[in-house]
Amino acid sequence: AQSVTQLGSHVSVSEGALVLLRCNYSSSVPPYLFWYVQYPNQGLQLLLKYTTGATLVKGINGFEAEFKKSETSFHLTKPSAHMSDAAEYFCAVSSYMFSGGYNKLIFGAGTRLAVHP
Amino acid sequence: GAVVSQHPSRVICKSGTSVKIECRSLDFQATTMFWYRQFPKQSLMLMATSNEGSKATYEQGVEKDKFLINHASLTLSTLTVTSAHPEDSSFYICSARAGRGALNEQFFGPGTRLTVL
Repeated sequence: AQSVTQLGSHVSVSEGALVLLRCNYSSSVPPYLFWYVQYPNQGLQLLLKYTTGATLVKGINGFEAEFKKSETSFHLTKPSAHMSDAAEYFCAVSSYMFSGGYNKLIFGAGTRLAVHP
Repeated sequence: GAVVSQHPSRVICKSGTSVKIECRSLDFQATTMFWYRQFPKQSLMLMATSNEGSKATYEQGVEKDKFLINHASLTLSTLTVTSAHPEDSSFYICSARAGRGALNEQFFGPGTRLTVL
């Protein structure tokens, strides 16, 4: 079984400040981990993903995340927040294990990021 | 990136009517399509997975007779909410994937907001 916990349903930062969105996962098999961003009334856009290899992954819009197996974490960071980063962010887990021929994404509850001037 | 469209983007209907939502992959062939439901300020909950040409696989607790899914071609899946009631009001999001493996990215549609009066 797999699950995702996102700590903090709301995060507020000043423009130019560090962004840190927390994600912890639970998985009985090696996980694939994802971060998605959702703007109001829109679908999800992939920010970045970890599958295998380098544990620090870089994504779009200056975001990056580090897979820490010992901490079962995949926190999302950005050195300097921009007003346009205000959105809902979802962490998700999947795996290479097949179940009925497909692999599901299990989403966390989401973190709403607010950026103020 | 690949584009997934949904139609309509917004629908308001009377209780007891049926509503059909279309999900199309515009520039790739989607072996697998997923349907999610998102309540306000909550995460995405997977409703069902459909592979082209076969019956959809529904998640536990999702009524297959109420939420009819058809994946008739490699570019089109439809979700029909039959005899809709106010509690079915939600944001419905589809995603499409070109392959079956977890490394194959899911591309998300913009969502359909259903309001049942």
